[in-house]
Amino acid sequence: EAQVTQNPRYLITVTGKKLTVTCSQNMNHEYMSWYRQDPGLGLRQIYYSMNVEVTDKGDVPEGYKVSRKEKRNFPLILESPSPNQTSLYFCASSHPSGSLAYEQYFGPGTRLTVT
Amino acid sequence: AQTVTQSQPEMSVQEAETVTLSCTYDTSESDYYLFWYKQPPSRQMILVIRQEAYKQQNATENRFSVNFQKAAKSFSLKISDSQLGDAAMYFCARPFPPLTQGGSEKLVFGKGTKLTVNP
Repeated sequence: EAQVTQNPRYLITVTGKKLTVTCSQNMNHEYMSWYRQDPGLGLRQIYYSMNVEVTDKGDVPEGYKVSRKEKRNFPLILESPSPNQTSLYFCASSHPSGSLAYEQYFGPGTRLTVT
Repeated sequence: AQTVTQSQPEMSVQEAETVTLSCTYDTSESDYYLFWYKQPPSRQMILVIRQEAYKQQNATENRFSVNFQKAAKSFSLKISDSQLGDAAMYFCARPFPPLTQGGSEKLVFGKGTKLTVNP
């Protein structure tokens, strides 16, 4: 089954404790992104990657890091989480060409609470 | 500009009735894609329908259809024969940057419309 997986699905942590949210896709997509969703703001892109070892900032990158060492994986790293990073996070992947180009496939989301 | 605007924060519809959700957007491109995503209480983002701007025909997927008005930059979603399972947040979105600049780096989303279906 074609899918994007994220782990963990729920996480409660304390300010300053480093954490990583993993993301993996099995569709051989080149493009991967991280979004955060906050009430009244919709979804905003944090970082994206156009291929292995190619990453770039999205609209709200402050406080986050990413890496893309393998095509299928795109982890999101919060080196020193703060309460304003409490949010719902989505990983997504897409293919840049073909009949399904530009459609982003989303993971199930990770609910992060930073106290 | 990257703006996608959904002017209706909340809508409600009676079961079996029809409802239309509005979306407008900015673009200077002539060829682009538009999407409607559904987010039920499970929080999963589910693609409902896509429209390619160069196609004259409005996209349809079962009970879901769009009214695409290219000149007005309007992309509304019509849900016919509404069902309780249609209750969700609905997001309008388009890729950015434009296709002529490679596209696909991200989706720009509207802020969403919460749809309630009354039995």
